[in-house]
Amino acid sequence: QVQLYESGPRLVKPSEILSLTCTVSGYSITSGYFWGWVRQPPGKGLEWIGTIYHSGSTYYSPSLKSRVTISVDTSQNEFSLQLNSVTAADTAVYSCARQDRTVTAGYWYFDLWGRGTLVTVSS
Amino acid sequence: EIVLTQSPGTLSLSPGERATLSCRASQSVSSSYLAWYQQKPGQAPRLLINGASGRGTGIPDRFSGSGSGTDFTLTISRLEPEDFAVYFCQQFGSSPLTFGGGTKVE
Repeated sequence: QVQLYESGPRLVKPSEILSLTCTVSGYSITSGYFWGWVRQPPGKGLEWIGTIYHSGSTYYSPSLKSRVTISVDTSQNEFSLQLNSVTAADTAVYSCARQDRTVTAGYWYFDLWGRGTLVTVSS
Repeated sequence: EIVLTQSPGTLSLSPGERATLSCRASQSVSSSYLAWYQQKPGQAPRLLINGASGRGTGIPDRFSGSGSGTDFTLTISRLEPEDFAVYFCQQFGSSPLTFGGGTKVE
C-alpha cells in the first residue's frame, strides 16, 4: 500500500524558511510518476505549489516560483519543499501527492495524497 | 491561469438521491483534462475521476464525470452514506494547475 507522509516544523517565523519533507512508503520514487506539493490556507481553496520528477526536473507555480525549491532524495525515497521568506499568508495545510497524467496530457492530476500538515507562520 | 468555479457551494441531499455537481472553467480546458476528488474531514483527498470521464482505481461506478470545454459535471447516481463529503475539481490542461473551491454534499 503506497502512503505519503509529510513531516517538518509546524511553526515558522516570518521571513524564515518553511521546510517540509514527504516520505513515500510502498513505492519507489524512481519507478515513475511525478511528485508534488499542494497547499490550502484556512478557509481558502487549494493551490498547486510545484512538481518534481525523480530525475530532478522541476515545475513550479508562477506565483510561487521565486520563493520555492522542490528537491528529491531517491536514497531516502522522499522529496522536499522549501519556501523562502514566508509571511502569514503562507499559513496553510501543506500536502504532498503523487501525480500522474493521461497519455496525451502535458500536465498532471493527483492520484494519491498525504493527509497534509498545518504549518503556521507566526512570531 | 484557468479559474474553476464550482456550484453549488453546498448540496443538501438524502441517501439514495442523485447528486449533480458543476465545475465551470474561465476558459476552455484542453482535451477535457479535468479531475474530480473527494475529501472527508481529517482524510487525504481521493481521486475519483481523471480526464473528465475516467474513474480512478477502485472508484465505484455510481461516480461519473462528463463535460468538455468550460462546463464539467460530476454525478453521483445514488448517494451512499459514505459519499457525504467535499468534492473539488482540478484542471491539468495548462499550467498553473488550478482547483475549484469545492462543493460540500451534506
